[in-house]
Amino acid sequence: EAQVTQNPRYLITVTGKKLTVTCSQNMNHEYMSWYRQDPGLGLRQIYYSMNVEVTDKGDVPEGYKVSRKEKRNFPLILESPSPNQTSLYFCASSPGLAGLRIYEQFFGPGTRLTVL
Amino acid sequence: GDSVTQMEGPVTLSEEAFLTINCTYTATGYPSLFWYVQYPGEGLQLLLKATKADDKGSNKGFEATYRKETTSFHLEKGSVQVSDSAVYFCALSVGGYNKLIFGAGTRLAVHP
Repeated sequence: EAQVTQNPRYLITVTGKKLTVTCSQNMNHEYMSWYRQDPGLGLRQIYYSMNVEVTDKGDVPEGYKVSRKEKRNFPLILESPSPNQTSLYFCASSPGLAGLRIYEQFFGPGTRLTVL
Repeated sequence: GDSVTQMEGPVTLSEEAFLTINCTYTATGYPSLFWYVQYPGEGLQLLLKATKADDKGSNKGFEATYRKETTSFHLEKGSVQVSDSAVYFCALSVGGYNKLIFGAGTRLAVHP
């Protein structure tokens, strides 16, 4: 089954304790992205990657790191989490650009993170 | 900058009622427009899309028309079902940028 998987689905942690949220897709997609969802704000992009070893900042990158060593994986790293990073996180992937138009993005099920 | 504005929810309807969720956008280029749906406890799924002016996207009884003159992409459905209860997000992408810009989302609750 074509899908984007994220782990863990739920995580409660404390301020300053490094954590990693994994994301993996089995569709051979070029493009991957991380979003956070907050009430009243919709989804905002954190980082994206157009291909292996190519990553760039989205709208809200502060406090996050990513890496893209393999095409299928795109982990999100919080080196020193803070309470304002409590949110619902989504990973997404897509085949890439076609001319000037973006393809549909496929979303993972989400990771609910609470930082105490 | 580019942005999307959706009507605030929640929207509460009875089964078989007509649905409209308003969406307007601001974009510097020629955006593609999308509606995504998020069912409880799940990730977002693409519901429909339109890539140029006057295009109509449709899926599962939902429709939306890309109106460049009014910069709108309103979502409509003639007869909603309880199973349509979800959060609906309007979104756009512009040019070669690799991101979707989302509205705040509109929660729809349909009662029997």
